[in-house]
Amino acid sequence: DAGVIQSPRHEVTEMGQEVTLRCKPISGHDYLFWYRQTMMRGLELLIYFNNNVPIDDSGMPEDRFSAKMPNASFSTLKIQPSEPRDSAVYFCASSFSTNQQFFGPGTRLTVL
Amino acid sequence: AQSVAQPEDQVNVAEGNPLTVKCTYSVSGNPYLFWYVQYPNRGLQFLLKYITGDNLVKGSYGFEAEFNKSQTSFHLKKPSALVSDSALYFCAVRATLPSSGSARQLTFGSGTQLTVLP
Repeated sequence: DAGVIQSPRHEVTEMGQEVTLRCKPISGHDYLFWYRQTMMRGLELLIYFNNNVPIDDSGMPEDRFSAKMPNASFSTLKIQPSEPRDSAVYFCASSFSTNQQFFGPGTRLTVL
Repeated sequence: AQSVAQPEDQVNVAEGNPLTVKCTYSVSGNPYLFWYVQYPNRGLQFLLKYITGDNLVKGSYGFEAEFNKSQTSFHLKKPSALVSDSALYFCAVRATLPSSGSARQLTFGSGTQLTVLP
C-alpha cells in the first residue's frame, strides 16, 4: 500500500491566489482528517470526514477555507483567497474506524 | 473536553541511556492513547497505542509506554536511546465510545523534541 498520498508536496503562491491541496487516503479507510502544523500553534485539526461526510469542521479557521470529499479515494482542501498567515504544513491522515491514523507526507504551503 | 499535556518542549539524552518523554491527559471516561513520531520534513508516524489490557504497551523501534490511570499519564520510554531516535514526539488521546462524531477526533499534545547526543 502506498500510504496516504498528498499533492503537491510544496506550494508557493502569492497572497490572494487560490490554493488547492489534494489527498488520497489509504484504500478501505473510512475516516479522513486534515491538519495544519505551524511552529506557533503546533498541530491543529481542521476538519474530518467519515464515509465522505464532514463530521466536524470547527477547526477550519475562516470561510476562506473549504474541504470536500467527493468520493472515498479523494479529498481537497481549498484556500481562497490565500494569505501569508496560511503558510504552514498541511497534513492529511486517514484511519479505519477509530484506529490509529496514518499521515501523509504533508504539503508545505508558502504564501508570499 | 479532552486534552493532552507534554510538559517538556525539549528532552536531551545521551546515546545508550534510557529516555522518557512525558505525557498526561484529560478525557471523559476511558482513554485511547497514542504516540506518534515526526522526523524532519515528514508526516507523523504511529508508534504505539493503548486501548485496553496490559498497562505496558510495546511499539515500534523498541519504544514502550506505560499507562497509569491514577496519574492520568502515558509516558513514552526506551531503555537505550539511539541517535536516530532524535525527532519530534506527539502524544494523543481520544475518548472511547464517543457519543458524538466530534469526539472521534484525536487531541494531540504540543510535541516534545527529543535529541539523542552521540
